[in-house]
Amino acid sequence: SQTIHQWPATLVQPVGSPLSLECTVEGTSNPNLYWYRQAAGRGLQLLFYSVGIGQISSEVPQNLSASRPQDRQFILSSKKLLLSDSGFYLCAWSATGAGNTIYFGEGSWLTVV
Amino acid sequence: DQQVKQNSPSLSVQEGRISILNCDYTNSMFDYFLWYKKYPAEGPTFLISISSIKDKNEDGRFTVFLNKSAKHLSLHIVPSQPGDSAVYFCADNKLVFGAGTILRVKS
Repeated sequence: SQTIHQWPATLVQPVGSPLSLECTVEGTSNPNLYWYRQAAGRGLQLLFYSVGIGQISSEVPQNLSASRPQDRQFILSSKKLLLSDSGFYLCAWSATGAGNTIYFGEGSWLTVV
Repeated sequence: DQQVKQNSPSLSVQEGRISILNCDYTNSMFDYFLWYKKYPAEGPTFLISISSIKDKNEDGRFTVFLNKSAKHLSLHIVPSQPGDSAVYFCADNKLVFGAGTILRVKS
């Protein structure tokens, strides 16, 4: 069966520090991968999605970047965090192609102080 | 661009009664909609979906209705249980999510 895991689960970082959240998927090949953010009191916002290694699409301009160095690895990064980057970050995957159900990881709480 | 709107930020229902969660969309070209359920500090989990060739899909206590002419879908939970208390998101097959509705089921 397929599993998705992201870490760390919680993170408290000072403003201006770098960020790296990692996500891995097991049990499937060539998945579509996604990073979402849920800010306090708001819905899910799609940040990045990837249909293959090195292929990243950004949905919103922001202080964050994403990379996919391996087929089942997706990394969310920032060189300098802002207070507004605080939130709950979710990695997700779906099977190749459109219209497939996406499955979410456990989420990572980021607090920028 | 597609917009998926959940205009009710919260809903409170008595245990055993029906919960109705609503969702509106703007782009009729999308042919598949999904509902996700999310508990605090956890990732959303898939709940139920509906294809535009149908107007209803049922799975146990959960039923989703699709009104294509009104560009509206709704999730019915009956009977509601305290464990159903969570945030519910609707999404289209392009993975555009609504803002979510917080459901509280009171015992």
